[in-house]
Amino acid sequence: DPKIIQKPKYLVAVTGSEKILICEQYLGHNAMYWYRQSAKKPLEFMFSYSYQKLMDNQTASSRFQPQSSKKNHLDLQITALKPDDSATYFCASSQDSGQGSSGNTLYFGEGSRLIVV
Amino acid sequence: GDSVTQTEGQVALSEEDFLTIHCNYSASGYPTLFWYVQYPGEGPQLLFRASRDKEKGSSRGFEATYDKGTTSFHLRKASVQESDSAVYYCALSPDSNYQLIWGSGTKLIIKP
Repeated sequence: DPKIIQKPKYLVAVTGSEKILICEQYLGHNAMYWYRQSAKKPLEFMFSYSYQKLMDNQTASSRFQPQSSKKNHLDLQITALKPDDSATYFCASSQDSGQGSSGNTLYFGEGSRLIVV
Repeated sequence: GDSVTQTEGQVALSEEDFLTIHCNYSASGYPTLFWYVQYPGEGPQLLFRASRDKEKGSSRGFEATYDKGTTSFHLRKASVQESDSAVYYCALSPDSNYQLIWGSGTKLIIKP
């Protein structure tokens, strides 16, 4: 059974609309992340959260807003969608926020594929 | 800044061929180096990591040796199988508290 659940798996949205991508992890991890994968940038870090607090934001646009209602939830709200936002968005988690430390493996969900028309 | 370079965007091999995917990095000190694998329709998953010079990481028949002298962490497998078809990412963490810096990925295609 998948331990990181992302919904929806596929999504088609109209330019200018707003969508929310859902992520829940059942690994008991304290840190959660969003990554984006597209043809232009194979794997691009967006946000990291630790204990529901924003740790790092590498996303230039304020149209992307993470939302953490519970420790094991990190949703991604995207407003004013553009065709360039078309990508697969991956949620990930790790025990703690130090991705590079030994024993702190990063686990990914299966992704939400977003197409903006 | 710190970076990871994977020179091959795609590698096409036949079953039982020897695989090498090149990974070179640029970072000060001793970053931790990683190989991740992404199968079709899935998110990336950790293959293995290494954090010291000359340390060898290995998993599922794949291996790579941390080489600070040549700043490399090349992925090798002696005999590839069709099930190895995937995208392979090299990554580094310059500090244990830092996020990963990813290479551009190498797609491995196993020809029938």
